[in-house]
Amino acid sequence: AQSVTQLGSHVSVSEGALVLLRCNYSSSVPPYLFWYVQYPNQGLQLLLKYTSAATLVKGINGFEAEFKKSETSFHLTKPSAHMSDAAEYFCAVRNGGNKLVFGAGTILRVKS
Amino acid sequence: NAGVTQTPKFQVLKTGQSMTLQCAQDMNHNSMYWYRQDPGMGLRLIYYSASEGTTDKGEVPNGYNVSRLNKREFSLRLESAAPSQTSVYFCASSEASKQPTDTQYFGPGTRLTVL
Repeated sequence: AQSVTQLGSHVSVSEGALVLLRCNYSSSVPPYLFWYVQYPNQGLQLLLKYTSAATLVKGINGFEAEFKKSETSFHLTKPSAHMSDAAEYFCAVRNGGNKLVFGAGTILRVKS
Repeated sequence: NAGVTQTPKFQVLKTGQSMTLQCAQDMNHNSMYWYRQDPGMGLRLIYYSASEGTTDKGEVPNGYNVSRLNKREFSLRLESAAPSQTSVYFCASSEASKQPTDTQYFGPGTRLTVL
């Protein structure tokens, strides 16, 4: 069965610093992977998705993620954090039944 | 376009009471979903509807029922609320659940407290 593990329930970075949110997946078939962001008191919004077309995927708000099959990872990065990036981030994988399976989430805090 | 809308935004129930959470989408999507979000557990699928006229159980269906009223609307019913159902409930929709790259769009959520 497909699953994802997000390492670190909380990540804190300074404004302007690199953002790195980790996601490892488990899948017996080529995975389709997603990153969603949830701002306080809002629903989830798609940041980017991996569809096997390219290993480096660029998303909205300057975020990108790289699919590494050898490491079974799909980590989310942004070169320079902004205060507005403070939110909870979810990695998800599509399972064999074409349903999304979400990780537990990582709360990103950005310090001024 | 409003996207996915949910009502109510907040609700407090007593144990044993019933209620229905409403969801509507205006994107002409075929598939709709109900999730619950609990701290440290991400989102878990309660029920989904791949297309109008069909519904299927997700990961945590016990204590819930759903109705796909038409293509736009998908409601979630708690027949006899329990404190364990205290959660934030999200509705989502997508164009075609069978496509692996299918993107789900989420509503703003309903915060439910069961006392």
